[in-house]
Amino acid sequence: DTEVTQTPKHLVMGMTNKKSLKCEQHMGHRAMYWYKQKAKKPPELMFVYSYEKLSINESVPSRFSPECPNSSLLNLHLHALQPEDSALYLCASSQASGQGGLAGTLFGEGSRLTVL
Amino acid sequence: DAKTTQPPSMDCAEGRAANLPCNHSTISGNEYVYWYRQIHSQGPQYIIHGLKNNETNEMASLIITEDRKSSTLILPHATLRDTAVYYCIVRVAIQGAQKLVFGQGTRLTINP
Repeated sequence: DTEVTQTPKHLVMGMTNKKSLKCEQHMGHRAMYWYKQKAKKPPELMFVYSYEKLSINESVPSRFSPECPNSSLLNLHLHALQPEDSALYLCASSQASGQGGLAGTLFGEGSRLTVL
Repeated sequence: DAKTTQPPSMDCAEGRAANLPCNHSTISGNEYVYWYRQIHSQGPQYIIHGLKNNETNEMASLIITEDRKSSTLILPHATLRDTAVYYCIVRVAIQGAQKLVFGQGTRLTINP
């Protein structure tokens, strides 16, 4: 299995809802990432997990809460979002740099979020 | 983080070689150059990466200048399916992970 799988593909939520985005990989990658991409803009890094621990938070608002329950799964919990948070949310994974692997970071197809 | 500069858009005829330039003048010695592309509404796709030597794989070739301040991605025989946004990224290994910071990219259009 050489894929990063994201669910759901599309999500519509109100500003008072609580929802979660899920990401899964079974390549043995020990680093996982969340990116946010607005229309016609490049992806922006949000969070980095390395060996199931949060190693980078790019000053993301607390209404986004990441979780890494195990080495294959990465969640992004959403609460009290704003309409401007509507975007494509991309999950990615890679070999951790300490493993000596230099293979590319693999991205999922994304979850398209609309906040009403 | 080292920044990259790419032309915002390029056109290329189908069947010809597409040469996409990238400047990364602030790159440091342990930073790799990665190229990704993103076809509309899909996740970014890895193409190739390099440190200081030229690299080639089944998708493309990567030419890195001797001073490492710039590189060129070459798609040898472009097809219509190569129409995408191409990102040149300097990868930083940090805290056991690879930090990829995307620039604005080049929108490559392959014309029939």
